[in-house]
Amino acid sequence: AQTVTQSQPEMSVQEAETVTLSCTYDTSESDYYLFWYKQPPSRQMILVIRQEAYKQQNATENRFSVNFQKAAKSFSLKISDSQLGDAAMYFCAYLERNYGGSQGNLIFGKGTKLSVKP
Amino acid sequence: GAGVSQSPRYKVAKRGQDVALRCDPISGHVSLFWYQQALGQGPEFLTYFQNEAQLDKSGLPSDRFFAERPEGSVSTLKIQRTQQEDSAVYLCASSPEKPGHNTEAFFGQGTRLTVV
Repeated sequence: AQTVTQSQPEMSVQEAETVTLSCTYDTSESDYYLFWYKQPPSRQMILVIRQEAYKQQNATENRFSVNFQKAAKSFSLKISDSQLGDAAMYFCAYLERNYGGSQGNLIFGKGTKLSVKP
Repeated sequence: GAGVSQSPRYKVAKRGQDVALRCDPISGHVSLFWYQQALGQGPEFLTYFQNEAQLDKSGLPSDRFFAERPEGSVSTLKIQRTQQEDSAVYLCASSPEKPGHNTEAFFGQGTRLTVV
């Protein structure tokens, strides 16, 4: 079974600086998606960035970028120029790429709580 | 509506009481998922619908949990004879396509269920 591990329960960063959140996963599949979701106190999960496993190029979305190491099964999130609004829980998630089957549920890590200091 | 809507946002139930949680997905979305998020944990999959068909219910923790989506739009998650371990946030997500088709799942704000 696939698993997702986030080894940092809490992280802290100074406003305007850069922080990296770690994520590792375990799968025997070769084709899948990886995601980072942000969950503010409102509880709504918001997609931050997505990576397709067959793409070697790391995904980038404005101040957010990933370091995807497929062989190492590592998928870290880098947040540049951190802002106060970035403070939230961040979840790494895995999705098996499945054609026509019923399995399509996201598998989440336990999350990392990010604090941003002014 | 513009997003996934869940109601109620908060529910307090006495142990043994039945509860029903509602999810209004984004109009036209094919896929609908329910997740359970215990305090301090990541969401865990409960069940999946493709239109009105419940294609996967492998995550439902017991036969006290039941979900339906009779017309392929609104979904209800029902928990019978609630227990304290059922206390959690229940998240609903919808997606315009089938799983694995490179689409984003849009989440609601969840229902926080507290069983006392």
